[in-house]
Amino acid sequence: SQQGEEDPQALSIQEGENATMNCSYKTSINNLQWYRQNSGRGLVHLILIRSNEREKHSGRLRVTLDTSKKSSSLLITASRAADTASYFCGFNTGFQKLVFGTGTRLLVSP
Amino acid sequence: GAVVSQHPSWVICKSGTSVKIECRSLDFQATTMFWYRQFPKQSLMLMATSNEGSKATYEQGVEKDKFLINHASLTLSTLTVTSAHPEDSSFYICSARDSERSTDTQYFGPGTRLTVL
Repeated sequence: SQQGEEDPQALSIQEGENATMNCSYKTSINNLQWYRQNSGRGLVHLILIRSNEREKHSGRLRVTLDTSKKSSSLLITASRAADTASYFCGFNTGFQKLVFGTGTRLLVSP
Repeated sequence: GAVVSQHPSWVICKSGTSVKIECRSLDFQATTMFWYRQFPKQSLMLMATSNEGSKATYEQGVEKDKFLINHASLTLSTLTVTSAHPEDSSFYICSARDSERSTDTQYFGPGTRLTVL
């Protein structure tokens, strides 16, 4: 299967702590995107990193990409209760469509 | 900007009936839309790529006669689940790419929860 793998599957932290989740994939990619999904809702695009980029920042989000290891990480700094959601990586292999990872469920407790 | 809507947000139907789900890009044109299904606590699985004015491209294992896709305009794609059965119960999500922007970002609808009794 081309599906990406994410770890951890679930992560529980306190407000103010940092959350790190990882994504691994098997094929060559054009770019990798991270999305957030609140329970029972659609996906919200967070950040896109291209295959020739190594790191990207957006507010409290930091994404890294290591194409030699076929892996990416998403770091959320100073987490808030509102960050509680599932996070998915989606990678683009050049045919427009996205293949998603298995997801990480993040719970941030006040 | 870049808002995608889905209708209905949820639907309950009897086994054997057909259900149509609409996906609309509200403030941009989308020559390409995508349909996914998601089971509880699982990831999104791509079902098909919907291309305006042409036939949809289905992923391996997805029955094209069961999941009919029509992309008749640059802002609307529909997914019809024909002769629905309980195993078709799932969360169906569409996404769209902005045709006028050179970006690979997909904008997702809020999803439709289908329950087949």
